[in-house]
Formats: sequence, C-alpha cells, structure tokens
Amino acid sequence: AQKITQTQPGMFVQEKEAVTLDCTYDTSDPSYGLFWYKQPSSGEMIFLIYQGSYDQQNATEGRYSLNFQKARKSANLVISASQLGDSAMYFCAMREGIDKLIFGTGTRLQVFP
Amino acid sequence: SAVISQKPSRDICQRGTSLTIQCQVDSQVTMMFWYRQQPGQSLTLIATANQGSEATYESGFVIDKFPISRPNLTFSTLTVSNMSPEDSSIYLCSVPIRGLSDEQFFGPGTRLTVL
Repeated sequence: AQKITQTQPGMFVQEKEAVTLDCTYDTSDPSYGLFWYKQPSSGEMIFLIYQGSYDQQNATEGRYSLNFQKARKSANLVISASQLGDSAMYFCAMREGIDKLIFGTGTRLQVFP
Repeated sequence: SAVISQKPSRDICQRGTSLTIQCQVDSQVTMMFWYRQQPGQSLTLIATANQGSEATYESGFVIDKFPISRPNLTFSTLTVSNMSPEDSSIYLCSVPIRGLSDEQFFGPGTRLTVL
C-alpha cells in the first residue's frame, strides 16, 4: 500500500533563512505524483508544488523547491528566504490511482523574526 | 488553475441534524473529491464524485452517512447526515487539473462544529 511519512511534527526557522521539510513515500507503482500543500490557520489548502515520478529535474516554484531523490523515495520541500507568512502546517501528499491523494501527517512550521 | 468555492464556510449544528455542503468549480471537471480533516489530523478522502454515476466511497465511509450528488461537471454536494460531535471537522472538496503540470486544487473548506 502507498504511504507518506512526515517525521517532523514541528520546525522552527528564522526569518530569511532556508528550511527543509522532510517527506518520504512508499509505493510500488512506477507512475506517481508528489504534492506539497500549505495550510494556514484559516484551514484552506494551498497548492505549492508538484513533482512527477518521471520528471528528470526537481520542481521549483518561486521560493519553493522540491528535492526529489527517487532512489531514496524522498521528496523534501525546501523553502528559501523564509517569511513570517510562511508559518503554517505543511502537508506532503502522493497521488494514488487516478488523482486521489493520500496525505502525510503534516509539519507545523513556525518562522520567527 | 481552478477557482473553487464552498458553502457554507462554517456552521455550528446540533446533534442528529444534517448539513449539505456545496462545492462549485469555475470550469468543467470530470472528477471531484471530498476530504475530511478532523481536528489536529491530516486529510482523509471520503469519496470520489463522478458526474453521471454513483460516488465511490473509501473504506470507513458509507453513502447513508455521507450522500453525495454530482448533477453536472461544475458542481457537487456532500451531506453529513445524522451528525454527532465526532463529525466536527473541516470538509474540503478538490479537483485535479491536468495541464503543463499536474495540480490538484482545494476549495476553501467548510468548518463544521457539531454540539
């Protein structure tokens, strides 16, 4: 069965520094997709970045990049130049079958001045 | 991208009553998904809503408790029936968008509290 693991319940980072949020996955399907979402206290789920299993390059979206290491089955999110507004829950997810997602348990990121 | 709206944004309901949550998308999509997020937890898929066919429910979720309608390609409803305090959660709909990149967007969520 497919599984997503986020081992960091909480992370702290100083403003303007970079931070890496860990995500490992397990699947026997050669075709899969990996997603990261941000969930602020309002509860909405904000799509950040996507990486396909066949993508040769790591995905990047502005200050977000995904460190995709296929052999290690990891898909860590790197946030550069952290901002106070980055404080939120972050969820890693994997596409299972046709588009439904399974989620990790999340990491709460707190950015301090 | 897709613009997704949900109604209501939040509600407080009494035990034993039912609430219908609406999800509207600004473009036609084949599949829509309904997720539940219990307090302090991650998201769990309730069901997949396909237009023109019965919804497909995940293990642990049943149609009698969470009936779903999908009358067209831009709209879906989820009803939480005979509510109990354990149903207090955020309910979110989502749609996949296939383009240059695969993306999956979520509605703003419905925050439900059952007393």
